[in-house]
Amino acid sequence: GQQLNQSPQSMFIQEGEDVSMNCTSSSIFNTWLWYKQDPGEGPVLLIALYKAGELTSNGRLTAQFGITRKDSFLNISASIPSDVGIYFCAGRPPANNAGNMLTFGGGTRLMVKP
Amino acid sequence: KAGVTQTPRYLIKTRGQQVTLSCSPISGHRSVSWYQQTPGQGLQFLFEYFSETQRNKGNFPGRFSGRQFSNSRSEMNVSTLELGDSALYLCASSQRSTQDNEQFFGPGTRLTVL
Repeated sequence: GQQLNQSPQSMFIQEGEDVSMNCTSSSIFNTWLWYKQDPGEGPVLLIALYKAGELTSNGRLTAQFGITRKDSFLNISASIPSDVGIYFCAGRPPANNAGNMLTFGGGTRLMVKP
Repeated sequence: KAGVTQTPRYLIKTRGQQVTLSCSPISGHRSVSWYQQTPGQGLQFLFEYFSETQRNKGNFPGRFSGRQFSNSRSEMNVSTLELGDSALYLCASSQRSTQDNEQFFGPGTRLTVL
């Protein structure tokens, strides 16, 4: 089936640093979504991208839908302690009957540098 | 507006038993999707229900089934439980079953199979 490769798998951040993560696929997607999951909770939608080339911001978060429709990145600027958590990319395949079926990346775990 | 609710939050079962999990979507949402989250396989799509009909099904054995009621509430059932079924089961709701709308996740049901 379709796979989303998300990198990095984990990273340490220091408050104030900018953070970048990305997802790539061998198949095209019609929609890219970025979620954050805190321990014991379900994923929370951060940004939704519906058009190739689209660049969207949500506060300190910026995400782009790659022009090839096979990749997306998420940037977090000036990170703060509450940014810690696991970030997931997710994509919807282009099939007409795909509905809400999402394929998820493996996640990027953001941790605070000791 | 209340979010997606899932019951129970935690469940312990033994091998061979069956289990039923419940999901109440956000009011007005007609699509409910189910996902399984494990450390090894990540987040994987199980199935989607829209207007009481299964729209899509992921690559899971027939022991995993679901249904949706006329009020959009959904249940999923796993029969003949195996150790590998231990996971966080997440449900997500959205207004429609199309590619241009957002899914909102519940907190999940943590199932442990002994």
